[in-house]
Amino acid sequence: GDSVTQMEGPVTLSEEAFLTINCTYTATGYPSLFWYVQYPGEGLQLLLKATKADDKGSNKGFEATYRKETTSFHLEKGSVQVSDSAVYFCALSGMKTSYDKVIFGPGTSLSVIP
Amino acid sequence: GAGVSQSPSNKVTEKGKDVELRCDPISGHTALYWYRQSLGQGLEFLIYFQGNSAPDKSGLPSDRFSAERTGGSVSTLTIQRTQQEDSAVYLCASSLKGGNTYEQYFGPGTRLTVT
Repeated sequence: GDSVTQMEGPVTLSEEAFLTINCTYTATGYPSLFWYVQYPGEGLQLLLKATKADDKGSNKGFEATYRKETTSFHLEKGSVQVSDSAVYFCALSGMKTSYDKVIFGPGTSLSVIP
Repeated sequence: GAGVSQSPSNKVTEKGKDVELRCDPISGHTALYWYRQSLGQGLEFLIYFQGNSAPDKSGLPSDRFSAERTGGSVSTLTIQRTQQEDSAVYLCASSLKGGNTYEQYFGPGTRLTVT
């Protein structure tokens, strides 16, 4: 079935380091891809999305490019801040025309230290 | 405007008791989703509502779980005869309509602990 795999955490980085969180997916058809973020004590928030191949989603300095040839949607940020500490979930949806449940990866916990 | 709200924020219950979890979606959102976030299982889809109908209940883990939605707005997830493995954070999301062009907005969740 459809699934999302992302790198195991936790990831610990120093402030201003470069971040990559790998995400690959398995799906039939052409899903939309998402990164959600969950800050400590808060609910899930959509960070960015891409709806078709080669699209780049970006927000708050984070970027991810929809790569259909490698079925990947890796999250990157050039210089992380302490405030980026959170759990990041890669996700997909879009396999049905009438509605779309979101299928999430297991999440990657990021801690940024000063 | 107001986002998705859920109540209670925390619930501790004894094994075997019934619990009800409530979700208030964003006003005007016709699509509503329930998910469960638990250790070892990650985030999993439970059920989807379009209006008051639930065309997909495939994620409900057992017949102890049920959900309803009334007036195209508030939804209640009921767990009967709770078990310890039901302990998790239950998340509700709503979107303007079903379909992948509409962003799902998540509530803060209800943390359920079954003792």
